[in-house]
Amino acid sequence: DGGITQSPKYLFRKEGQNVTLSCEQNLNHDAMYWYRQDPGQGLRLIYYSQIVNDFQKGDIAEGYSVSREKKESFPLTVTSAQKNPTAFYLCASSPQTGIYNEQFFGPGTRLTVL
Amino acid sequence: LAKTTQPISMDSYEGQEVNITCSHNNIATNDYITWYQQFPSQGPRFIIQGYKTKVTNEVASLFIPADRKSSTLSLPRVSLSDTAVYYCLVGERYNYGQNFVFGPGTRLSVLP
Repeated sequence: DGGITQSPKYLFRKEGQNVTLSCEQNLNHDAMYWYRQDPGQGLRLIYYSQIVNDFQKGDIAEGYSVSREKKESFPLTVTSAQKNPTAFYLCASSPQTGIYNEQFFGPGTRLTVL
Repeated sequence: LAKTTQPISMDSYEGQEVNITCSHNNIATNDYITWYQQFPSQGPRFIIQGYKTKVTNEVASLFIPADRKSSTLSLPRVSLSDTAVYYCLVGERYNYGQNFVFGPGTRLSVLP
């Protein structure tokens, strides 16, 4: 089946630790995105990538880092610099950037920092 | 940055038609309007997209007036499973890509 996978579904970490969230897609999409969602809120864009080895900051990139070494993978690292990391994180992909193209979302990772 | 305004919540009963209106006064010439649906603890799912007039698919219809400053998502004969949050997005193009804005959306509750 084609789609986007995120792992793990639930993640617990101690304050001050870096943590990396996985996102893999086998849709052959060029663009990938990371969003953060807080309870009762909309999605906020953290980073996006149009092609391999290139990525751009979204609205709330501070305290996060990404890499795009392969077309299929776009891992997100939540660093200790992120002041309030507990949230629901969603990864998405689309054939190319631009709202003209549909974004396909993964199931999400719920991160809780203790 | 184009912003959208939607009602925070709506209630409906099974079998009714639901219309959710989104206001986007600053929409740009090249922007499209896209609607997504999100169930709890899941990623959003694309519903429909349009530029002007009317678009219809198997799930919904999208009505866009000539001035494009608003749009209306129409869900015919809703069922309990349509209870979800619905987001209206308006695209904006910068030099090196786009920054999509998912606002708080409209929380639709379908009652039996």
